[in-house]
Amino acid sequence: GENVEQHPSTLSVQEGDSAVIKCTYSDSASNYFPWYKQELGKGPQLIIDIRSNVGEKKDQRIAVTLNKTAKHFSLHITETQPEDSAVYFCAASYDGNEKLTFGTGTRLTIIP
Amino acid sequence: NAGVTQTPKFQVLKTGQSMTLQCAQDMNHEYMSWYRQDPGMGLRLIHYSVGAGITDQGEVPNGYNVSRSTTEDFPLRLLSAAPSQTSVYFCASSSVQGAGKLFFGSGTQLSVL
Repeated sequence: GENVEQHPSTLSVQEGDSAVIKCTYSDSASNYFPWYKQELGKGPQLIIDIRSNVGEKKDQRIAVTLNKTAKHFSLHITETQPEDSAVYFCAASYDGNEKLTFGTGTRLTIIP
Repeated sequence: NAGVTQTPKFQVLKTGQSMTLQCAQDMNHEYMSWYRQDPGMGLRLIHYSVGAGITDQGEVPNGYNVSRSTTEDFPLRLLSAAPSQTSVYFCASSSVQGAGKLFFGSGTQLSVL
């Protein structure tokens, strides 16, 4: 089955700086890669996703890049703000179905 | 719109007890699933359903049972609780059109003593 590795497990950045979280996947058949944000005491919430026919996708301060050859994808957050502090999960699946395989999560802390 | 509603929010069980975690969604989503979240292990899929009357196993199904009699509800049953089932449980749903874009409930924190 699919295996998703995520790094780093914790990340602290100064407010206003950029943060990058990286994930690798094992199954070349995977073609859908979402990112979820989990705030304390809440369930994860989808923040951005990308499909394998696209190399990069942006949504305001958030961007995701995908390298199909190397089988890795990354989340980039620019101009970080305190409300970006959360746990972030990457995931992968076939054909965008709901059976997602998640990474182990990155706890991002923004230092004011 | 309530989205995905999970009850209870917290539960303490003794080893060997059984219980049902409730999950309901009001978005008419076909897909529903249960995940458990453990420190350092991310979210692992327990069981999922692609529609009423259809269920299938995920990555860690042992010790859990599910059924899907309606589109709205997807309860998770612990048959005989074990300390290894201490975890935070999340129910999630998605539509066919938005497949993979999961909507999560707020979770149930379960402790098995």
